[in-house]
Amino acid sequence: DTGVSQDPRHKITKRGQNVTFRCDPISEHNRLYWYRQTLGQGPEFLTYFQNEAQLEKSRLLSDRFSAERPKGSFSTLEIQRTEQGDSAMYLCASSFTGTAGGGYTFGSGTRLTVV
Amino acid sequence: SQQGEEDPQALSIQEGENATMNCSYKTSINNLQWYRQNSGRGLVHLILIRSNEREKHSGRLRVTLDTSKKSSSLLITASRAADTASYFCATDGTSGSRLTFGEGTQLTVNP
Repeated sequence: DTGVSQDPRHKITKRGQNVTFRCDPISEHNRLYWYRQTLGQGPEFLTYFQNEAQLEKSRLLSDRFSAERPKGSFSTLEIQRTEQGDSAMYLCASSFTGTAGGGYTFGSGTRLTVV
Repeated sequence: SQQGEEDPQALSIQEGENATMNCSYKTSINNLQWYRQNSGRGLVHLILIRSNEREKHSGRLRVTLDTSKKSSSLLITASRAADTASYFCATDGTSGSRLTFGEGTQLTVNP
C-alpha cells in the first residue's frame, strides 16, 4: 500500500443519475477527507472521518451527497440526482493524527462530468 | 470560503531563476502547509511549518511564516521545468480538524 487510491479516475454521467466514488486510504491513516476542486480553484472541503466516525460536514455537502466509511477503512462518496454543477474533481486524502510534521496524502482524484 | 489567498495567481520564469509565492490567511492557525499539483492530478505535500516556527527549509524549498501578518511565502530556488505546477497553501486551524486551501499560484518554468 503505497498511496491513496481512488476509483474510478473518470466518470461521465447524465444529469439526474446517481454516482458513487470509492477511496482507499493509506492503511495506517485514521483520518480520511473528501474535497472537491473545480478548474482553476483550490480544493474545497466536503467532509472528513476519523476512523468510522464522520466528524465534520461542509455546508457544500447538500442532502444529495452522502459519505460513508464503514469499519474505518475505505470510504465512498455518493451523489444522488446529479446536476451539471456537480462536475468537478473529487479528491480524497488521508492522514494520521499525531504525526509530527506530516501532511495529507492525496489520491489522484475522480473527475466527474455531468452532461 | 477559502482561508488562504495566494499571490501571484500566475508566475512565469526561466529555468534557473527563483520563484516566490505568497499566501495570506485570516484566522489563527496550528500550522501552514504547501502543496504542489500537476495538471489533472492529486496534490503532493511539500512542507509544513508550525505556528511557532518562522522559517523552514527542505531541499530547494524555503518557507517563511509571519503569524503577526498572517502570511507565508514559498521560495523555490534554482527552478526547473519539472517545477511547473500549481502551488497551494493550506492552513490547519486551531480546532485542528481539517485543512483549508487557498486558490493557488500557477507556476510555469520555461526551459
